[in-house]
Amino acid sequence: DAGVTQSPTHLIKTRGQQVTLRCSPKSGHDTVSWYQQALGQGPQFIFQYYEEEERQRGNFPDRFSGHQFPNYSSELNVNALLLGDSALYLCASSLSSSGNTIYFGEGSWLTVV
Amino acid sequence: QKEVEQDPGPLSVPEGAIVSLNCTYSNSAFQYFMWYRQYSRKGPELLMYTYSSGNKEDGRFTAQVDKSSKYISLFIRDSQPSDSATYLCAMSPLYGGATNKLIFGTGTLLAVQP
Repeated sequence: DAGVTQSPTHLIKTRGQQVTLRCSPKSGHDTVSWYQQALGQGPQFIFQYYEEEERQRGNFPDRFSGHQFPNYSSELNVNALLLGDSALYLCASSLSSSGNTIYFGEGSWLTVV
Repeated sequence: QKEVEQDPGPLSVPEGAIVSLNCTYSNSAFQYFMWYRQYSRKGPELLMYTYSSGNKEDGRFTAQVDKSSKYISLFIRDSQPSDSATYLCAMSPLYGGATNKLIFGTGTLLAVQP
């Protein structure tokens, strides 16, 4: 049973560029959430997708956007990258009917230079 | 004031010691409490999950929740060098038919010395 898979694992971008990160949830899970984890900090909630719609959003600007596909996989897009966007981006999957048992992927390390 | 406070450590203990990790929180709406273990440059791994107040045990790990004090703890018995990692507490409000966002502490870095 595959867990949560994310790609790419590492990437380097230049300020002002755009990036797309991808996530496949754990088998059978229908809800995908994205978190940003800066060095030395706990993960911060960006947003959550369920039934291909954004359900909840954290305190992140509109430069952060996402999408969920019919197979429940998801993308996180960040436009106009800033140095401060450098972080580990984590995808978390869960099953909407089973509450708050949430599993994380290994993350995508983004460095903005 | 942050919603969830966690001592960042680092905490260094000898192998075999009992480890106590703690978090306090301010939002009385939190009902679900979780502990995650995160190895360096890896994603968080769910260790323990508790609902409301009380204790839960799983092998060498015990999670305690005291909602009256807004205080949660994770105890690790017979600690091993392989337990060396960052431990993150996380919590969320009442489940309402959907997965709620998690609010994390900053994490406590634990080092178990052989």
